[in-house]
Amino acid sequence: GAGVSQSPSNKVTEKGKDVELRCDPISGHTALYWYRQSLGQGLEFLIYFQGNSAPDKSGLPSDRFSAERTGGSVSTLTIQRTQQEDSAVYLCASSLDRGAEKLFFGSGTQLSVL
Amino acid sequence: GENVEQHPSTLSVQEGDSAVIKCTYSDSASNYFPWYKQELGKRPQLIIDIRSNVGEKKDQRIAVTLNKTAKHFSLHITETQPEDSAVYFCAASEPWRNKLVFGAGTILRVKS
Repeated sequence: GAGVSQSPSNKVTEKGKDVELRCDPISGHTALYWYRQSLGQGLEFLIYFQGNSAPDKSGLPSDRFSAERTGGSVSTLTIQRTQQEDSAVYLCASSLDRGAEKLFFGSGTQLSVL
Repeated sequence: GENVEQHPSTLSVQEGDSAVIKCTYSDSASNYFPWYKQELGKRPQLIIDIRSNVGEKKDQRIAVTLNKTAKHFSLHITETQPEDSAVYFCAASEPWRNKLVFGAGTILRVKS
């Protein structure tokens, strides 16, 4: 596709359940980012993948959060045992190279934990 | 790590007036400063960016200025139009950390 694709666009889950969010970056982009946007807040960095290098996980808020990127392309963000405070929009972005320049964002997944 | 503060949090201007949004950053090593625009219900999109070796950059009605000594940078929008209404985010990136640290955002409302 032409842009960064995320699925699902909306996810409603019950507290305690696990969820998986998917991101398909722009073809050829080696860098992939996950950010979280809570209502009325800025964008909070979660994790960064660059090629085959070890990911920068410094932004993950707890060990309930994990992410992987298979084959240098599609990425999955997994939240285990979801809590109400996990409710937010999860945004994925990709860029052509390292340096966090010119990020292209997906439309996000709106996660609601009841 | 880097910390970015942005103000004002909301800004209302009359159509045709100018709007200025300001950000400060904490790490003097940061060298890349982009601005993203997020319309209601849409994804953030890059509108302009500047590197630390440049003091000012313009693109039609928008411009960004950078003061490295004071560690602040600003977005200037001239001749505002209703379609400029959106949330604007500033960000900063350190050269050895490949991630953007974002400000909290400014809601800009352009009244016609």
